[in-house]
Order: sequence, then C-alpha cells, then structure tokens
Amino acid sequence: AQKITQTQPGMFVQEKEAVTLDCTYDTSDQSYGLFWYKQPSSGEMIFLIYQGSYDEQNATEGRYSLNFQKARKSANLVISASQLGDSAMYFCAMRKLLSGSARQLTFGSGTQLTVLP
Amino acid sequence: NAGVMQNPRHLVRRRGQEARLRCSPMKGHSHVYWYRQLPEEGLKFMVYLQKENIIDESGMPKERFSAEFPKEGPSILRIQQVVRGDSAAYFCASSPLQKTGSGELFFGEGSRLTVL
Repeated sequence: AQKITQTQPGMFVQEKEAVTLDCTYDTSDQSYGLFWYKQPSSGEMIFLIYQGSYDEQNATEGRYSLNFQKARKSANLVISASQLGDSAMYFCAMRKLLSGSARQLTFGSGTQLTVLP
Repeated sequence: NAGVMQNPRHLVRRRGQEARLRCSPMKGHSHVYWYRQLPEEGLKFMVYLQKENIIDESGMPKERFSAEFPKEGPSILRIQQVVRGDSAAYFCASSPLQKTGSGELFFGEGSRLTVL
C-alpha cells in the first residue's frame, strides 16, 4: 500500500520569499510518480508539478521545484518568490507507474499555505 | 471549455434521497476516476472506470454507492439513500489512455454534496 504524509497542516510565508512544503511517502514499488496539486479556496484541483522515481534531475515548473530525495522518500515542494495568489491548500500525491497497474493517485492530507503581504 | 466538466457544482439532498453526480472527461480521455474529499481532509480514491468497465472500485463503500461510465454520455456517480456523512466534495478526474508514464490526472471543479 502507498502512503503520503504531509506533516505541516498550515504554513505562513512572507510575500516574495521562498517556502518549502514537506512531503514524505511510503511505497514498496520501484516505479512511481509523485505529484503536487494546488487547491485554492474556489475548490478546483490544479496540477503543479510531477517527478518520476527514475528521473535523475529534480523537476521544475516556473516558480515550483520539487526537491526529490529518493533515499529519504521525500518529495518536498519549493515555491520561490511567493505571491499572494499562492495562498491555497497544497496536496502531495503519488501513483504507481507500471503498465496495467492501478492508476489512481494516493493523496496526503494537505498543507494550507498562507502568503502574507 | 475542453476541461473535465462536472455537474451539478452544488447539490443539496435530504437524508434518504438519491444523489447523482455527472462527469464528462476531457476530450480524448478514456479513463475516469472519482475521488471524495471530506471537510478538512485530502482526496480519497473511490473508483476508476474506462468506457463500460469498472477497473478498480476498491475505494467505493460497499453499499449505496455505484458508478458507471457508459459508451455514450458522462460518467455517473450515484449515491442512494444519502446520509449526513455523505456530505463532501466529489471530484472527477480523467486521463488519456496510457500504458505507462506519468499521466497526470486532470480534475474537474468538483461537486459539493450537502445532506440535510
């Protein structure tokens, strides 16, 4: 079974500063993918970034980067130059990648990020 | 709008009534997933469907809940005889046919069910 742990229920960051949202995972699979989603107060789920377990480089997407430490089973999200619009709930998730296997995502409990002006 | 479409966005039901939630996947996507998000919690997987097939329903409650994805038309999540504990946001997601790879899921905006 897969499990995602997000230990920070809430985080605060000053506008324009960087913030790291923690995510650790537990899986016995060798091939898996890690995802981060953003859920603003309006409720939709917005895909941010993806990291494959065999990717050698950390994923980056604009101001988002994923600090992937495979040995530690962590996949922290780093948001640089925070903006007020970044205030939202952030979910870490993972899924198996092998052909034919279940494709559903397993989500963590989320971190509520508040960006302060 | 080419995204995942869910309706209704908000649904209010009294205990014992039925709730039907609909999801139209993105164009070209043949996989549909339903997730439930209880207040203050993350999303929990319910069911994974392809056209006319339920692939994995390991997250579905054994009673009162059912899902379908017919050959024509949207996927339907049906909750019979709703109870207050069914109050939640129900998200649908879709993905294209992929043998392997990341295959991100594209989510709809969710349907928020309130049971009075």
